[in-house]
Amino acid sequence: EVQLVESGGGSIKPGGSLRLSCTGSGVTFSDVYMSWVRQAPGRGLEWLGRIKRKTEGATTDYTAPAKGRFFVLRDESTNTGFLQMNSLKIEDTAVYYCTTGTGDGPSDSWGQGTLVTVSS
Amino acid sequence: QSALTQPASVSGSPGQSITISCSGTNSDVGAYNYVSWYQQYPGKAPKLIIYEVSNRPSGVSNRFSGSKSGNTASLTISGLQTEDEADYHCSSYTTSTTLVFGGGTKLTVL
Repeated sequence: EVQLVESGGGSIKPGGSLRLSCTGSGVTFSDVYMSWVRQAPGRGLEWLGRIKRKTEGATTDYTAPAKGRFFVLRDESTNTGFLQMNSLKIEDTAVYYCTTGTGDGPSDSWGQGTLVTVSS
Repeated sequence: QSALTQPASVSGSPGQSITISCSGTNSDVGAYNYVSWYQQYPGKAPKLIIYEVSNRPSGVSNRFSGSKSGNTASLTISGLQTEDEADYHCSSYTTSTTLVFGGGTKLTVL
């Protein structure tokens, strides 16, 4: 069974940077697609970006609002995924989820989420 | 890439069937059979219940079924149970090599 655990959330001021981590058991991150999805309070899910499996070049894709500010990273040696978030805005306040899947389709495993609050 | 369109809420009585729609464009829902549906309880992470339009992961009740026609996908829940009361989200792969979600639908079982 795949288990994902996010960490690194918290409170931060606008303009700051934050790096979220995702550790996994029962999964080797270099063998799957890892995505980050967020959910603002009372809102729907928003896909942010992903990193493909190593055999597909570990290439990344991002949604337009995230491109240039958010970066999906992976450390194979520790089997840890990351979401680097820069120039944070108040509207980035959300629960951030790490997910894994086998391709362009579904995210079949999700972490419990970590809350990021951007406030002055 | 605009979010897919879902009704904000639907409701039904125990035992009834309901259908939740997910409308997109020919750049997402209509372009691929990579439509997924997720169930989410308050304060919990989403759970995959349908993938590739109509496939159920192991362990998901066969009361959940999915379909697609053109640019609109649908999730049908038959034999509604009180435990089905949750939020439901659709998603689709897009021609921009990204994924997009719908706004989510709150299901109330009366």
